[in-house]
Amino acid sequence: DVVMTQTPVSLPVSLGGQASISCRSSQSLVHSNGNTYLHWYLQKPGQSPQLLIYRVSNRFSGVPDRFSGSGSGTDFTLKISRVEPEDLGDYYCLQSTHFPWTFGGGTKLELK
Amino acid sequence: EVQLQESGPGLVKPSQSLSLTCSVTGYSITSSYRWNWIRKFPGNKLEWMGYINSAGSTNYNPSLKSRISITRDTSKNQFFLQVNSVTTEDTATYYCARSGVGALFDYWGQGVMVTVSS
Repeated sequence: DVVMTQTPVSLPVSLGGQASISCRSSQSLVHSNGNTYLHWYLQKPGQSPQLLIYRVSNRFSGVPDRFSGSGSGTDFTLKISRVEPEDLGDYYCLQSTHFPWTFGGGTKLELK
Repeated sequence: EVQLQESGPGLVKPSQSLSLTCSVTGYSITSSYRWNWIRKFPGNKLEWMGYINSAGSTNYNPSLKSRISITRDTSKNQFFLQVNSVTTEDTATYYCARSGVGALFDYWGQGVMVTVSS
């Protein structure tokens, strides 16, 4: 299975500040069709996970432009600018290039 | 609006089977999409378990393939998860979720916590 490694595990931030989360895969996530199936999810406290970013850098419907994704191959980054209280929670990357689909271990975004 | 809701027993004894139901409203599970089960362990790790697609075909995580079954009742617009021979390692919150192409889980249930304990 493809191992997804997220860092850091915990990320203290100040409101209005910026956060950056790294996700690295044990093998390239470039599919034979040329697409890269790396996605980001946020699970807020007491809620189910929600899709933020799909295929590396595409924001899902309703996701504010404070969230941005980048990367290629095996290294990917989620950046959150101007952090707001509703951004706090657990962030997960997910790869679906290779079967079975696998998640990163998660990053907890919390207040400093 | 599409809504998914899990239901099932919160406590299962070791070696028994875990059975959960996902009831879907606002969209027919036979129209399109894949209908998934995902679980979150106490340590916060997420695991994709498998799906049943709109045609009724299934795909399972190989780590669970020998113990898992996903079925459906199209008349009730429900799909089901069964995990056999459970151990304490199957203790988790279980979610059902809809996905399109490429594991884009766009709608989720609220999750149901299942504890495996004697």
